[in-house]
Amino acid sequence: ETGVTQTPRHLVMGMTNKKSLKCEQHLGHNAMYWYKQSAKKPLELMFVYNFKEQTENNSVPSRFSPECPNSSHLFLHLHTLQPEDSALYLCASSQAGDYGYTFGSGTRLTVV
Amino acid sequence: ILNVEQSPQSLHVQEGDSTNFTCSFPSSNFYALHWYRWETAKSPEALFVMTLNGDEKKKGRISATLNTKEGYSYLYIKGSQPEDSATYLCAPNAGNNRKLIWGLGTSLGVNP
Repeated sequence: ETGVTQTPRHLVMGMTNKKSLKCEQHLGHNAMYWYKQSAKKPLELMFVYNFKEQTENNSVPSRFSPECPNSSHLFLHLHTLQPEDSALYLCASSQAGDYGYTFGSGTRLTVV
Repeated sequence: ILNVEQSPQSLHVQEGDSTNFTCSFPSSNFYALHWYRWETAKSPEALFVMTLNGDEKKKGRISATLNTKEGYSYLYIKGSQPEDSATYLCAPNAGNNRKLIWGLGTSLGVNP
């Protein structure tokens, strides 16, 4: 365990479903991130939250909706996804944003 | 647009061999360079964060050097062990917004 916990580990959903990914950290970090990792592509930053405020949305489609209710929890709400959204979704946290990130193990998402 | 290149893309070595990989990045507006190790089915794990030209960091049998003027970093593994098998990712903070830009990684396999 790294201190960043993601649930579920695996998720299969239909294109009309609504689901949520959860990320939790109790490291005292003040920044949290969602990343997408697709085959043969580098990690893609999706969203950044600093002190619960969204500071970056990296041109992510609106079918992905993040939520950060407090500095320890981060959600990614999913609805009407497409098969090309199938990927590994990683959550990370850091202190101040310029130091090393602590990653969760990711959620392997398959959209059918 | 920043371009991060890692080479080789993959390699296999025998247990006990020493090896090294390269990370190349644009040298302008450099702020820091991150190295991560990512084992299959686990979380990416931070190895080093390097900021100064000529910096050298070491963690056990793994070490890294940084040349910010020419835009490259080397990661060395001395006496490779099977547990070193992983993908090694580099990511510079650079550009005006200091975002982390990720490489595709070098996949290392160590044969016992």
